[in-house]
Amino acid sequence: AQSVTQLGSHVSVSEGALVLLRCNYSSSVPPYLFWYVQYPNQGLQLLLKYTSAATLVKGINGFEAEFKKSETSFHLTKPSAHMSDAAEYFCAVTYSGNTPLVFGKGTRLSVIA
Amino acid sequence: NAGVMQNPRHLVRRRGQEARLRCSPMKGHSHVYWYRQLPEEGLKFMVYLQKENIIDESGMPKERFSAEFPKEGPSILRIQQVVRGDSAAYFCASSLADNSPLHFGNGTRLTVT
Repeated sequence: AQSVTQLGSHVSVSEGALVLLRCNYSSSVPPYLFWYVQYPNQGLQLLLKYTSAATLVKGINGFEAEFKKSETSFHLTKPSAHMSDAAEYFCAVTYSGNTPLVFGKGTRLSVIA
Repeated sequence: NAGVMQNPRHLVRRRGQEARLRCSPMKGHSHVYWYRQLPEEGLKFMVYLQKENIIDESGMPKERFSAEFPKEGPSILRIQQVVRGDSAAYFCASSLADNSPLHFGNGTRLTVT
């Protein structure tokens, strides 16, 4: 069975500092991995996805994530945090088109001025 | 360029009443997914439908919950005889095809009093 673990339900960084949100997955077959962002009272917006092409994936708003098979990780990073990055971030995994996305519990990112 | 449309945005029901949540997928999308979000628990998959077919309902409670995606019109998630534990945000997502990214609506927030 697939699962996703997001380490840290709440991460706080200073404006301009590095953002690192951790995600580890469990999948018995090669996964498809996603990061989504949710702003208050809104739905989820796709940040980036990994589908077995390049292991370093670039997304919107300056975010990127690196797929590391040996560590079963897909951590999300951004070199310099902006106040507008404050939101909840969800990592998700699937392994085939007919299998629904399984989401982690989310990490709330706060950005301090 | 309408995205996934969900209505109503907020729904209040008394215990024992029925709740109907509607979802119109993005234009051209024939795959619809329903997720439920509870505080601190992330998104939990409920059901995956294509036009007139339920593909995967492994996340649906066995009683009181049903979903449909008719040939014409929106997808409907129906909850009969609601209880307080049904209070949550319900999100609909649609995709163009298998392995395509999900596009989420802004959700329906159900409150059972």
